[in-house]
Amino acid sequence: GDSVTQKEGLVTLTEGLPVMLNCTYQTIYSNAFLFWYVHYLNESPRLLLKSSTDNKRTEHQGFHATLHKSSSSFHLQKSSAQLSDSALYYCALSRSSNTNKVVFGTGTRLQVLP
Amino acid sequence: NSKVIQTPRYLVKGQGQKAKMRCIPEKGHPVVFWYQQNKNNEFKFLINFQNQEVLQQIDMTEKRFSAECPSNSPCSLEIQSSEAGDSALYLCASSFRASSYEQYFGPGTRLTVL
Repeated sequence: GDSVTQKEGLVTLTEGLPVMLNCTYQTIYSNAFLFWYVHYLNESPRLLLKSSTDNKRTEHQGFHATLHKSSSSFHLQKSSAQLSDSALYYCALSRSSNTNKVVFGTGTRLQVLP
Repeated sequence: NSKVIQTPRYLVKGQGQKAKMRCIPEKGHPVVFWYQQNKNNEFKFLINFQNQEVLQQIDMTEKRFSAECPSNSPCSLEIQSSEAGDSALYLCASSFRASSYEQYFGPGTRLTVL
């Protein structure tokens, strides 16, 4: 079945450094959509990014990600981390069909230190 | 910003007791998901509905939980006999479609089973 892998459980870095959170996925179907959700403490999880077409970069709030079907990846990046970026980040996979299912990765906690 | 409403925000039950939580999806969203976010912050899919019909559910939900999304009433998720391992944050999300569209999450119900 479909699966999403987020290798890092915790990423700790200093403010101002670049961020990269890894996300790889497995599906036998070509019509996959990938999402990044962010969950701040005491708030509702919310969508950060949704994938576009293959090899096209999508951006929102300083974060960006590119869907690479050749490597089944959708890594989340930001050029310069801010303290307010500290949160849980989830990568999720969905398919454009009536499969009725969204598969979430295990999440990566990003901790940005001053 | 998400307008998914979940009540109560906190729920404390003894083992063996019933635990019921409710969700009002965003207006116009026919699809509702329930997830359990465990102590490792992993999102575990429990069940989803389209309008009043169950689309998919996991085995645990089928056996120990009862869930419904009646028309013109909040959706609900009820654990018939709470166990210590059920202590978690229960998140409700709604969407226009079951797949390929973003999900809008509520703030969750934090269940503690003593």
